[in-house]
Amino acid sequence: AQSVTQLDSHVSVSEGTPVLLRCNYSSSYSPSLFWYVQHPNKGLQLLLKYTSAATLVKGINGFEAEFKKSETSFHLTKPSAHMSDAAEYFCVVTSGSSNTGKLIFGQGTTLQVKP
Amino acid sequence: GAVVSQHPSWVICKSGTSVKIECRSLDFQATTMFWYRQFPKQSLMLMATSNEGSKATYEQGVEKDKFLINHASLTLSTLTVTSAHPEDSSFYICSATLIGGSPYNNEQFFGPGTRLTVL
Repeated sequence: AQSVTQLDSHVSVSEGTPVLLRCNYSSSYSPSLFWYVQHPNKGLQLLLKYTSAATLVKGINGFEAEFKKSETSFHLTKPSAHMSDAAEYFCVVTSGSSNTGKLIFGQGTTLQVKP
Repeated sequence: GAVVSQHPSWVICKSGTSVKIECRSLDFQATTMFWYRQFPKQSLMLMATSNEGSKATYEQGVEKDKFLINHASLTLSTLTVTSAHPEDSSFYICSATLIGGSPYNNEQFFGPGTRLTVL
């Protein structure tokens, strides 16, 4: 069965410092992995996705993530946090090998950015 | 492109009444739409998969008679919460999959969500 674990429920950084949001996955086949961001009372926005191409994936707003199969990780990083990055972040993995389109969401990480 | 809307954005209803939530893909056709539920400070839980012209597939533990899903066209899916009770209060989010995009990418486009409060 597929699953995803976000290792931190809450991360707090100062503006201008690096961001690291950790995600580990479990999958019995080659998964597709995503990071989504959710701002308060707004829909989810796709930051980036990994679909078995390059292991280092660059997304929007300066975010990137590296797929590490040996560590079953897909951590999200950004060199310098901005106040507008404060939001809820979800690591997501595809569910099942039959391409049902289903997604499994991690529990989410709240990113706080301090001035 | 790839915009998904939901209506209403929020709704308050009395216990025992039914509420319908619409999910529309505004600029693309979607064969598949998904309905999620999100409790405060929690993650999204998939409720059901809605395919145009066929019956929805519900996840384990989701009552199909309670949460009626209709996907009548390639741009519209509706979720009706029947005989709503306070425990049904939640944030309901839909997503749509783009036709013609590689199905193996599994990219979904999410609506802004509907906040339901049952008194």
